[in-house]
Amino acid sequence: KAGVTQTPRYLIKTRGQQVTLSCSPISGHRSVSWYQQTPGQGLQFLFEYFSETQRNKGNFPGRFSGRQFSNSRSEMNVSTLELGDSALYLCASSSTSSSGNTIYFGEGSWLTVV
Amino acid sequence: AQSVAQPEDQVNVAEGNPLTVKCTYSVSGNPYLFWYVQYPNRGLQFLLKYITGDNLVKGSYGFEAEFNKSQTSFHLKKPSALVSDSALYFCAVSYVETSKIIFGSGTRLSIRP
Repeated sequence: KAGVTQTPRYLIKTRGQQVTLSCSPISGHRSVSWYQQTPGQGLQFLFEYFSETQRNKGNFPGRFSGRQFSNSRSEMNVSTLELGDSALYLCASSSTSSSGNTIYFGEGSWLTVV
Repeated sequence: AQSVAQPEDQVNVAEGNPLTVKCTYSVSGNPYLFWYVQYPNRGLQFLLKYITGDNLVKGSYGFEAEFNKSQTSFHLKKPSALVSDSALYFCAVSYVETSKIIFGSGTRLSIRP
């Protein structure tokens, strides 16, 4: 069974631009979560989607948005990029949105903003 | 507030010795507790979790963790460390009331030969 797939793996953007990251969950998984990882802030929860609906949202500005499609694939978008948005963005999937459910991570998308 | 703490930024252990990576959580409902490991330039890999039942949970790669409700702790342990265990370890918690998983700040485990 294929794992969580994230694309692109690496990208460089300029301040002010916008970026879209993609995540394909494990087959059969309907919940997708997004996390930002930085050396200073650690792992921070961005949002979770289940059956195309946002279930939970972290404490990030409105420049960060996401969506989930009917096939459970998810995208996150960051508009008006800032230098501080440079990070590893991790996507995770689970079979349901129930608490206690194990989430499985992809390899991440490394975003560098210059 | 729901939170999890990893009090040690780094743990250094000699190969063959037992290792412990500490984790404590805030008391807010019934917690579900997880451990994940991250190798350089990789995503996080699931090690083990506590939902209910036996307080001692066994996971991947010989790791185990003990849930201690009175001390609100969920320390990760291994009887005999390997150099290949060197990585970044994250403790995480979620609660019955929400599916959101909150991660600790991470502990870097370094095993010297």
